[in-house]
Amino acid sequence: AQSVAQPEDQVNVAEGNPLTVKCTYSVSGNPYLFWYVQYPNRGLQFLLKYITGDNLVKGSYGFEAEFNKSQTSFHLKKPSALVSDSALYFCAVRDMGRDDKIIFGKGTRLHILP
Amino acid sequence: DARVTQTPRHKVTEMGQEVTMRCQPILGHNTVFWYRQTMMQGLELLAYFRNRAPLDDSGMPKDRFSAEMPDATLATLKIQPSEPRDSAVYFCASLDTHYEQYFGPGTRLTVT
Repeated sequence: AQSVAQPEDQVNVAEGNPLTVKCTYSVSGNPYLFWYVQYPNRGLQFLLKYITGDNLVKGSYGFEAEFNKSQTSFHLKKPSALVSDSALYFCAVRDMGRDDKIIFGKGTRLHILP
Repeated sequence: DARVTQTPRHKVTEMGQEVTMRCQPILGHNTVFWYRQTMMQGLELLAYFRNRAPLDDSGMPKDRFSAEMPDATLATLKIQPSEPRDSAVYFCASLDTHYEQYFGPGTRLTVT
C-alpha cells in the first residue's frame, strides 16, 4: 500500500536559517509526490510536486524539494526561512492503484523564530 | 482566478440536527474530494468522486454521512443526525489535470 510519513510533528528554525521538513514515502512504481502548505484558518495550498525529471523541484515562495529514490525521501527545503513561512506543511503521494487518491502525511508544523 | 468555494463557512448546530455542506469545484475539474480535519486525527479523506460518480467513500461513517454530486458544479456532504464528535473543519478539493489539488476554505462545524 502507498504511504507517506512525516517524522517530525514540529520544526523550529531561526529566521534567515535554512529549513528542512522531512518526508519519506512507500509506493510501488514511480511516485507522484507533493507538498502542500496550510496557513491558519485556510485550506491547503499546493507548493510543488515531483512526477518525473530533475530530482530537485522548485515551487512557490522559494521552496524546493529533493527527490531521493534510494532513500525514498522527498524533503522540503528553503535556503533562508522567513517568519511568514510559519505554517503546517503536508507531504502527499498519489496512490497509483486507487484512481487518483492522494494520501497525505499527518503534517509538520513549522515555526520560524524571529 | 478560479477557486473552490464552500458554504457555509461556519456552522453551529445542536446534536441530532441535519447538516449540509456544499462545494463548488473549479470548472473543468472532474475529480472532487471531501476531507475532514481535526487536531486529533489530522486530515482524513472521507470520499471522492470522478465525473460525479463516487470512487471511494470508505472514510465516511456510513450510517450518518452521505456525499453526492448532483451536477458537475455542486458537491454536497450531509450529516444526519449530527453528533459532537463530528465537530471539525470539512474541506472540499478539486483536482486538475496536472494532479494538483485546489482546496476550498473549509466549513468549520461545531456540534453542541
